[in-house]
Amino acid sequence: DGGITQSPKYLFRKEGQNVTLSCEQNLNHDAMYWYRQDPGQGLRLIYYSQIVNDFQKGDIAEGYSVSREKKESFPLTVTSAQKNPTAFYLCASSKSTVTNTEAFFGQGTRLTVV
Amino acid sequence: AQSVAQPEDQVNVAEGNPLTVKCTYSVSGNPYLFWYVQYPNRGLQFLLKYITGDNLVKGSYGFEAEFNKSQTSFHLKKPSALVSDSALYFCAVRDRDSGYSTLTFGKGTMLLVSP
Repeated sequence: DGGITQSPKYLFRKEGQNVTLSCEQNLNHDAMYWYRQDPGQGLRLIYYSQIVNDFQKGDIAEGYSVSREKKESFPLTVTSAQKNPTAFYLCASSKSTVTNTEAFFGQGTRLTVV
Repeated sequence: AQSVAQPEDQVNVAEGNPLTVKCTYSVSGNPYLFWYVQYPNRGLQFLLKYITGDNLVKGSYGFEAEFNKSQTSFHLKKPSALVSDSALYFCAVRDRDSGYSTLTFGKGTMLLVSP
């Protein structure tokens, strides 16, 4: 059953802590993305990766970090430098960034700072 | 640069009536255009896309969209709305001529279909 799996579904973080959100895909896609969703603001791109061991900053990368050591995995770390991390985080993948193929999305992780 | 505008935060329609969710875009080259739907606390599901060719694109669940290059629009339509169509809808664009680019999303339009 192919798709994108994000875990956990809900995550609570204390102020000053780093947390890592998991994203795994078995679609054999080269490109992977992280978006942040806030009410009324749509989806904003945090980071994206076109290929293993390579990633690029998106529009709102400050306070976040990523790695792409395996094709299947693209974890996102929300660091203590992110001032307002409470949001819904969506991971996506596509065949590549240079084709006309659509992106496929995971079910999201809702992060709350307590 | 590329951008998408969804001018309506919310669209209300009665079940059985036709629905339209508006989207306009801006790209420096030619666009690839996409529509996605999101149900509460879920990820986005792909509905349809425009690549090239026929301006009327048909997609999942009876939805269709019309590409209008002169008006730079890609409105989502359905002839007869269902209550189960109530959800958040996103339009997205990618510049076909930029070499490579990521998807840029609009802010979303909430569709509410009343019984």
